[in-house]
Amino acid sequence: ETGVTQSPTHLIKTRGQQVTLRCSSQSGHNTVSWYQQALGQGPQFIFQYYREEENGRGNFPPRFSGLQFPNYSSELNVNALELDDSALYLCASSDRTGGPHEQYFGPGTRLTVT
Amino acid sequence: EDQVTQSPEALRLQEGESSSLNCSYTVSGLRGLFWYRQDPGKGPEFLFTLYSAGEEKEKERLKATLTKKESFLHITAPKPEDSATYLCAVQEGGYQKVTFGIGTKLQVIP
Repeated sequence: ETGVTQSPTHLIKTRGQQVTLRCSSQSGHNTVSWYQQALGQGPQFIFQYYREEENGRGNFPPRFSGLQFPNYSSELNVNALELDDSALYLCASSDRTGGPHEQYFGPGTRLTVT
Repeated sequence: EDQVTQSPEALRLQEGESSSLNCSYTVSGLRGLFWYRQDPGKGPEFLFTLYSAGEEKEKERLKATLTKKESFLHITAPKPEDSATYLCAVQEGGYQKVTFGIGTKLQVIP
């Protein structure tokens, strides 16, 4: 069974630029959630994708957007990067069938905005 | 709005010294409470899901319990390899959002 993978591992961008982060979900999982984790904080929910549609969103502005593909992989896009966007971005996959779904996280992408 | 408060923020234990981590939550209709372990620079690793008050789950030296307002993660006779940040998270009924606490950073000294 393949776990959740994310790419790239690290990324350095300049303020105002745009970035795309990628995630491959665990085999058999149909739902992907994205989180932002600042240093010393818990993960903050950005949004979730289920069957290629956004299905729940946290308190993040529209410049944070995403996609889910038919194979359940996903992308997180962030436009007009700000310094405060520097964080570890985590992708988590789950099988939404049934009750509360346990999420399995990837290793994350460390984004630094200068 | 859902709230999750974990305490203490940091805990230092001697190897073999048992203790408990606390997670207090405020949510309208708990759908599930989750415990994760996170090592530095890595993604959280799933430990437990608890669904209703009175439920308990165990895994090796860890035992998670749940009441209507809080959850405890009991660590029995910890070893240095248990050193990590332990995160608690809640999911409210009818919503997909999962709210995490700030975590408890556990250090187990040999």
